[in-house]
Amino acid sequence: SQTIHQWPATLVQPVGSPLSLECTVEGTSNPNLYWYRQAAGRGLQLLFYSVGIGQISSEVPQNLSASRPQDRQFILSSKKLLLSDSGFYLCAWTPGPEDHEQYFGPGTRLTVT
Amino acid sequence: GDSVTQMEGPVTLSEEAFLTINCTYTATGYPSLFWYVQYPGEGLQLLLKATKADDKGSNKGFEATYRKETTSFHLEKGSVQVSDSAVYFCALSRGGGTSYGKLTFGQGTILTVHP
Repeated sequence: SQTIHQWPATLVQPVGSPLSLECTVEGTSNPNLYWYRQAAGRGLQLLFYSVGIGQISSEVPQNLSASRPQDRQFILSSKKLLLSDSGFYLCAWTPGPEDHEQYFGPGTRLTVT
Repeated sequence: GDSVTQMEGPVTLSEEAFLTINCTYTATGYPSLFWYVQYPGEGLQLLLKATKADDKGSNKGFEATYRKETTSFHLEKGSVQVSDSAVYFCALSRGGGTSYGKLTFGQGTILTVHP
């Protein structure tokens, strides 16, 4: 069966520090991968998606970037964190172009101080 | 573009009460529709789905019917439990192709069930 992992689970970082969040999927190949941010426990904002290794599409201009160095690995990064980067970051995957539902990871709670 | 609108919350119910959370959508064509549930501090879990008109998705006592004529996908449960307290999200997807499997979410509805 397929599983999705995110780490770390929680992170407290000072303003101006770098960021690296990792997401990996097991039990599948060539998934579509997605990064979301959720503020205040409500709405989800799609940040990036990837349909293959090295292929990244950005949904909103911001302080963050994403990379996909391996088929089942998706990384969210920042060179210098802002206070506004605080939130709950969720990674999700979908098996492929014919599948519609997404499956979400457990999330990373980021607090920028 | 596509959009999903959910009823404003929060919704507060007593245990064993009937639940309805309204969801309407705007999209061309025939999207797939979903309900996700998020428990405190966790990621989203797929609750149920429907991929074509008149389909009924069901899971854990929850149901929703894809109504093309009213562009709706309302979530219902006959008897809620305290453990159903969570945030519920309605979403749609056009699937692959140029949509790349992206989901369009509603704003979420907070449900609190009291004993």
